[in-house]
This record gives sequence, structure tokens and C-alpha cells, in this order.
Amino acid sequence: GENVEQHPSTLSVQEGDSAVIKCTYSDSASNYFPWYKQELGKRPQLIIDIRSNVGEKKDQRIAVTLNKTAKHFSLHITETQPEDSAVYFCAARRGGSYIPTFGRGTSLIVHP
Amino acid sequence: DVKVTQSSRYLVKRTGEKVFLECVQDMDHENMFWYRQDPGLGLRLIYFSYDVKMKEKGDIPEGYSVSREKKERFSLILESASTNQTSMYLCAISGEVEAFFGQGTRLTVV
Repeated sequence: GENVEQHPSTLSVQEGDSAVIKCTYSDSASNYFPWYKQELGKRPQLIIDIRSNVGEKKDQRIAVTLNKTAKHFSLHITETQPEDSAVYFCAARRGGSYIPTFGRGTSLIVHP
Repeated sequence: DVKVTQSSRYLVKRTGEKVFLECVQDMDHENMFWYRQDPGLGLRLIYFSYDVKMKEKGDIPEGYSVSREKKERFSLILESASTNQTSMYLCAISGEVEAFFGQGTRLTVV
């Protein structure tokens, strides 16, 4: 089955800095890569996703890049703010499946 | 607004008890999931269901079972609760794109 590795497990940055979280996946048939943000005490929620036919996608301060050859994808957050502090999960899903496989999560701490 | 509702936010149960965690969705999705969330281990799939009365084991099904008698309801059952099942349990539904999660049930087994 699919295996998703996520790094780092903890990331501490100063407000205004950029943050990058990296994930690798094992199943070359995976074609959908969502990212979820889970604030303390709340449910995970989708913040951005990318499909395998696209190399990069941006939404305001967040962007995701995908390298299918290397089987890795990354989340980039620019100009971080304290409200970006949360646990971020990457996931991968193969075509024809509705089952996402999640990484272990990254705890992002943005210091004011 | 998508609603995935779990019946309890917090539960405390005794070792050996049979525990039911309930999840109800209002999106008419076929696919429903139960995940367990532990610090440093992320979201691990326990069971999923793609139709009424259909179920499939996930990555960590041992000690759990599920029931799906109606499309909107998916129940996770701990047959005999043990302390190592103390965790956060998240129900989710998934369609063509994103997954929607319930608010989670924090279960403590004492």
C-alpha cells in the first residue's frame, strides 16, 4: 500500500519567515495530494491540494509543489503569522480510490 | 455546509467495556472512515466503508469492529476496551476531492 513520509515533525519559525514542509510517497499510482491543517482542538481541514498533472499551485500565502519523478511534494507558507500555528498533514491518494494515506504531521509554531 | 458529527467529544470508559463511537454525515457520501490520531503517529486508518453493510479493514483494525446499517451512520466498536486504545478518534467522509472530518472523540480508557 501507499506510504507517506512527512518532515519535519516540528517546525518553529519567527513571524514573517517562510515555512516548508516536505512529504514523499511510495505509490506511483497516486495522483491526488491534499494538505490539511488542524488547529488545536479542532478537526483537520483542507487548505490546498494538487493533482498529478500540475507541478505547482498557489493560494495567497500558501503553495504546493509536486515532483512526480521524485515522488515528493511540499507545502510552502510565506510571511507566516501566529494563526498559521497548527499541525499540518500531507496525504496521497491513488487514482480510483477514495482513501487518503496521511503523513505523520508537522507541528508548525510561529513565534510573534 | 458539510456536517460530519460524532456523538461525543469526550468519553471515559473502563477496561473491558464495550464502547460505541457514532458518526453521522449529512452529505450522502458512500465512503466513510474511522481514523485514530496519536501524537507523532498522525492519522491511522482503522476501518472504512464504501456502502451500507460493507466494510474494509484499514491499517490498524485489531481490537475494533464497525457497523454501517444506514448510509449516513458509521459506528466504531471497541469490543473490549483496553488502555492502549486511549486516543483521539476521527470519523471522516470522502468524495471526489477532499475529506471532511468530524470534530473527534477523545477516548480515555482507565
